[in-house]
Amino acid sequence: KAGVTQTPRYLIKTRGQQVTLSCSPISGHRSVSWYQQTPGQGLQFLFEYFSETQRNKGNFPGRFSGRQFSNSRSEMNVSTLELGDSALYLCASSSTLENTGELFFGEGSRLTVL
Amino acid sequence: AQSVTQPDIHITVSEGASLELRCNYSYGATPYLFWYVQSPGQGLQLLLKYFSGDTLVQGIKGFEAEFKRSQSSFNLRKPSVHWSDAAEYFCAVGARSNDYKLSFGAGTTVTVRA
Repeated sequence: KAGVTQTPRYLIKTRGQQVTLSCSPISGHRSVSWYQQTPGQGLQFLFEYFSETQRNKGNFPGRFSGRQFSNSRSEMNVSTLELGDSALYLCASSSTLENTGELFFGEGSRLTVL
Repeated sequence: AQSVTQPDIHITVSEGASLELRCNYSYGATPYLFWYVQSPGQGLQLLLKYFSGDTLVQGIKGFEAEFKRSQSSFNLRKPSVHWSDAAEYFCAVGARSNDYKLSFGAGTTVTVRA
């Protein structure tokens, strides 16, 4: 069974640009969560999608948005990039059949904002 | 609200020595508990999990953890550390009443010296 796949793995943007990150969950997983990881703030929850609906949301500004498609693939978008958005963005999927909260993580997308 | 505390930011251990990483959680009901490991530049990999039953759980890579309800702790242990165990370790807690959304500790970085 393939794991969680995130693309791109690395990207460099400049301030003011926007970026879209993609995540393909494990087959059969309908819940997708996004986390931002930085050295100073650690792992911070961005949002979670289930059946194309945002089910939970963290404390991030409206520049951070996401969506989920009918095949459970998810994208997150960050508009008007700031230097502080440089981070590792992690996507995780979970099985709602088992419903334990166990997350399966992708390898992340490393975003550098110059 | 549920929370997770990992008191040790950084631990250095000699190869072959034992390792114990501390994790304390704050939550009223019995939580679901997890330990994840992250190698540099990678995503998080699940080491082990506790949902119910035997309070001593075995995981991958020779790790084990013990759930102690009276101390609200879920400490991770390994009897003999290998150089490849150098990584960052995260404790996480979830609960049914919070839609199983995981809260992560700040992480403990483990350095292994020869």
